Amino acid sequence: EIVMTQSPATLSVSPGERATLSCRASQSVRSHLAWYQQRPGQPPRLLIYAASTRATGIPARFSGSGSGTQFTLTISSLQSEDFAIYYCQQYDNWPTFGQGTKVEIK
Amino acid sequence: EVQLVESGGGLVQPGGSLRLSCAASGFTVSSNYMSWVRQAPGKGLEWVSAFYAGGNTYYAESVKGRFTISRDNSKNTLYVQMNSLRAEDTAVYYCARASIDGANYFDYWGQGTLVTVSS
Repeated sequence: EIVMTQSPATLSVSPGERATLSCRASQSVRSHLAWYQQRPGQPPRLLIYAASTRATGIPARFSGSGSGTQFTLTISSLQSEDFAIYYCQQYDNWPTFGQGTKVEIK
Repeated sequence: EVQLVESGGGLVQPGGSLRLSCAASGFTVSSNYMSWVRQAPGKGLEWVSAFYAGGNTYYAESVKGRFTISRDNSKNTLYVQMNSLRAEDTAVYYCARASIDGANYFDYWGQGTLVTVSS
């Protein structure tokens, strides 16, 4: 099983600031990496796939980068609706998810 | 518009059984890879099972031998039969569609149905 590790567990950011979230895979997943956003009481929402491709309807302030074992999700200017939990998921093998990063208001 | 609506969750005793349903609309279940993903209360996401368009089925080790995924093409519905349930199976169960290009990331999710295993 490929283990996904996200950091930090919690990120405190002020509205309008940049947020940078990290995801590390225990072995190479090439570019088979997706990011999801989950708000309280809601299902996950696909943000990014193939490490850097935004899903349909996702604002340009969300961007993804990386390949192999190290990946980053950047939110360029946090809006109120962006405070949520973010998960990375690899799909190079059977899907596994990171434990999540909670982005909270500073 | 793509929609996934889960049902069938509830309270069940340890060792009991439950069948969850996922009714799909806006696309054809039999032409897509479909999965069940669960989330224990306050925890992260765990892939549970997949049904590939060609008919192959796959399971996480944690549920292998206890859960069975199936689909009814005439009803455009995905199911998971859960037997020998344990306390650690308590979670919200989501039905999710894998991407149309066949890669195993999930572009549509249902709202989820809660399964509680407790005596």
